[in-house]
Amino acid sequence: GENVEQHPSTLSVQEGDSAVIKCTYSDSASNYFPWYKQELGKRPQLIIDIRSNVGEKKDQRIAVTLNKTAKHFSLHITETQPEDSAVYFCAASNNQAGTALIFGKGTTLSVSS
Amino acid sequence: GAVVSQHPSRVICKSGTSVKIECRSLDFQATTMFWYRQFPKQSLMLMATSNEGSKATYEQGVEKDKFLINHASLTLSTLTVTSAHPEDSSFYICSARDQGHTGELFFGEGSRLTVL
Repeated sequence: GENVEQHPSTLSVQEGDSAVIKCTYSDSASNYFPWYKQELGKRPQLIIDIRSNVGEKKDQRIAVTLNKTAKHFSLHITETQPEDSAVYFCAASNNQAGTALIFGKGTTLSVSS
Repeated sequence: GAVVSQHPSRVICKSGTSVKIECRSLDFQATTMFWYRQFPKQSLMLMATSNEGSKATYEQGVEKDKFLINHASLTLSTLTVTSAHPEDSSFYICSARDQGHTGELFFGEGSRLTVL
């Protein structure tokens, strides 16, 4: 089955800096790679996702890149703000109805002002 | 986006009792729902895949007789933690995929279970 590795486990940046979180996956059949932000005690919230037919996607300060050959994808947050502080999870699946998302272990991002 | 509702949000029970958690897809039909468990400061771990009208598929290491899953309709799946013990205390969260939303997975609010 799928296995997703995520690094780093913690990341501290100064407000305004960029943050990068990296994930690798094992199953070449995976074609859907979402990123979630989770605040304490709440459900994960989708912040951006990418499918295997594109290499990069951007939404304002957030971007995701995908390298299918190397089986890795990354989340880039620019101009970080204190409200970006949270736990971020990457995930992977083959995006079929009966297939669950497999999550990475998470990255705790702390943005200090 | 699609809405998945989960109930109860918090439950406290005594050791040895059973607790039922409901997960509903409010505006779409879900033939499959997924149950995850999340311990403090850890990731979401897939417990089982719930299939409407058939048996659930459990991940390795998850006891099917302890975590009973029923998916009797296209909008409702239930997870029953039987004979709960303190080590079952966790955040349980369900999810479902609405194919009409390009396959995005939607999550319920989660249920915080505390077993005394």
